[in-house]
Amino acid sequence: GENVEQHPSTLSVQEGDSAVIKCTYSDSASNYFPWYKQELGKRPQLIIDIRSNVGEKKDQRIAVTLNKTAKHFSLHITETQPEDSAVYFCAASKANAGNMLTFGGGTRLMVKP
Amino acid sequence: KAGVTQTPRYLIKTRGQQVTLSCSPISGHRSVSWYQQTPGQGLQFLFEYFSETQRNKGNFPGRFSGRQFSNSRSEMNVSTLELGDSALYLCASSTVAANTGELFFGEGSRLTVL
Repeated sequence: GENVEQHPSTLSVQEGDSAVIKCTYSDSASNYFPWYKQELGKRPQLIIDIRSNVGEKKDQRIAVTLNKTAKHFSLHITETQPEDSAVYFCAASKANAGNMLTFGGGTRLMVKP
Repeated sequence: KAGVTQTPRYLIKTRGQQVTLSCSPISGHRSVSWYQQTPGQGLQFLFEYFSETQRNKGNFPGRFSGRQFSNSRSEMNVSTLELGDSALYLCASSTVAANTGELFFGEGSRLTVL
């Protein structure tokens, strides 16, 4: 089955710096790659997603890039703020797998004021 | 619009017991998925239901089961509880049938097995 690896597991940055989280997936049939943010004690929430027919997608300070050949996708957060502190999960899914997501192990992002 | 509602929010059981968790999806959402979240294993897919049918199942033993009712509400059951079943169980609903949209998560049911 699909396997998603996520790095780093923890990331500490100064407020205003950029943060990059990287994920690799194993199944070339995967075609949908969402990113979820989970604040402490709260539910995961979708922050951005990308489909395999797109190489990059941006939403204000957040961007995601996808390299299908390398089976690699990344989350980029610019001008980080303390409220960006959370655990971020990447995930992958396939067209014939309904809404089944395979998640990466998560990255705990700490933004220091 | 009400979000995904999970009950109970917290529960404590002992080894060997069974537990039933409930999930009410967002109105109009027909897909309901269940995930287990633990510090060591992250978020792992348990199963997904769509229109009362189990569409996908993760790599969990048969002690884990679920069902979906005609109103899209879903339950999951864990029998013969083990210490390792202690986790946050998250339910997520979606309005779409395929992997093209957002999953809306509930706040979870935190199960502690003693």
